[in-house]
Amino acid sequence: AQTVTQSQPEMSVQEAETVTLSCTYDTSESDYYLFWYKQPPSRQMILVIRQEAYKQQNATENRFSVNFQKAAKSFSLKISDSQLGDAAMYFCAYRSGGSNYKLTFGKGTLLTVNP
Amino acid sequence: GAGVSQTPSNKVTEKGKYVELRCDPISGHTALYWYRQSLGQGPEFLIYFQGTGAADDSGLPNDRFFAVRPEGSVSTLKIQRTERGDSAVYLCASSPASAYNEQFFGPGTRLTVL
Repeated sequence: AQTVTQSQPEMSVQEAETVTLSCTYDTSESDYYLFWYKQPPSRQMILVIRQEAYKQQNATENRFSVNFQKAAKSFSLKISDSQLGDAAMYFCAYRSGGSNYKLTFGKGTLLTVNP
Repeated sequence: GAGVSQTPSNKVTEKGKYVELRCDPISGHTALYWYRQSLGQGPEFLIYFQGTGAADDSGLPNDRFFAVRPEGSVSTLKIQRTERGDSAVYLCASSPASAYNEQFFGPGTRLTVL
């Protein structure tokens, strides 16, 4: 079974600074997808960024980028120019590349942005 | 367009009672998922529907939990003889039937069993 580990229960960053959230995973599969989701206090999970395992290039979405190290099974999220609205729980998630689309989540990292 | 909706947003019940939680997916989405999120934890998979059938129900914790999606749209998660340990936020998500497509989540139902 796949597992996802987020070793940082909490992180904080100053507004406009950069922060990196860590995620490692364990799988025997070669085809899979990785995701970062944001969950604000409203509970609504919002997709931040996704990475296909077969792609060597790291995904980027505006201020959000990932560092995907397939051999090390590491998938960190970098948030640049942090904004107050970035404050939330962040979850790393794994999905197999097969026909079962269920997500396996880590325990999350609570990000605080200080003004 | 409308997103995934879940009703009720909060449900308080007594130990031993039966509850139903409803999920309305985005129109046209053939895949529907239920997850359970306990306090301080990430969501845990419960069950996944592709159309009307349960493609994977391996995450249901025991036979007190059951879910249906009779017409391939709305889904209901049913919990019999509720226990205090069932207290959690129950999240529903939907997606088009493609491995690439993201799952769109609803706001969840917070279930409290007294």
